[in-house]
Amino acid sequence: DIRLTQSPPSLSASVGDSVTLTCRASQGVSGWLAWYQQKPGTAPKLLIYAASYLQGGVPSRFSGSGSETDFSLTITGLQPEDFATYYCQQANSFPYTFGQGTKVEMK
Amino acid sequence: EVQVLESGGDLVQPGGSLRLSCAASGFSFRTYAMAWVRQAPGQGLEWVSTISGTGETTFYADSVRGRFTVSRDNSKNTVYLEMSSLRAEDTAVYFCAKGRDYGGYYFDSWGQGTLVTVSS
Repeated sequence: DIRLTQSPPSLSASVGDSVTLTCRASQGVSGWLAWYQQKPGTAPKLLIYAASYLQGGVPSRFSGSGSETDFSLTITGLQPEDFATYYCQQANSFPYTFGQGTKVEMK
Repeated sequence: EVQVLESGGDLVQPGGSLRLSCAASGFSFRTYAMAWVRQAPGQGLEWVSTISGTGETTFYADSVRGRFTVSRDNSKNTVYLEMSSLRAEDTAVYFCAKGRDYGGYYFDSWGQGTLVTVSS
């Protein structure tokens, strides 16, 4: 199985900051990677698919990059509604796997 | 508007069985793969199973293979997850999710989840 390791596990930031979250795969997944946002008590929301493609309706302050084993999600200009937990997911091969998440907290 | 709604979660004893349902609307159901993803209390996301649009192809996580069965009824726009030999570690919120495309690689619409608790 492909293991996804997200870092950092958590971070504190302020509104307006730019933050970068990383996701490292235990083996290459080409560009088959997605990012999701989850707020407490709610379902995850797809933000980025195929490593760098913005899902419809997602603000352009979210961007993704990377390939093979190293990926990143950048939020440029944090907004109050962005404080949440973010997960990466690989779709290169079954079983699909998720990273353990990065919690973005308000400083 | 795409809608996905799970039901069937309950408290069940270890070794017991349960069937979850997922009713979908607002899109051409038979065109898209569907998936189940679960989240244990306070934990991260775990992919459980994916079923193709036709229902002919299914995939399972190792942790549930042989105990869980995914199926779909395209005439009812509904996906099912039959769970048997349930264990305490199956306790989780189970989400049903629509594949973003036919291949179902990514999940673009999710239900609110249904809670399965396995305990005596």
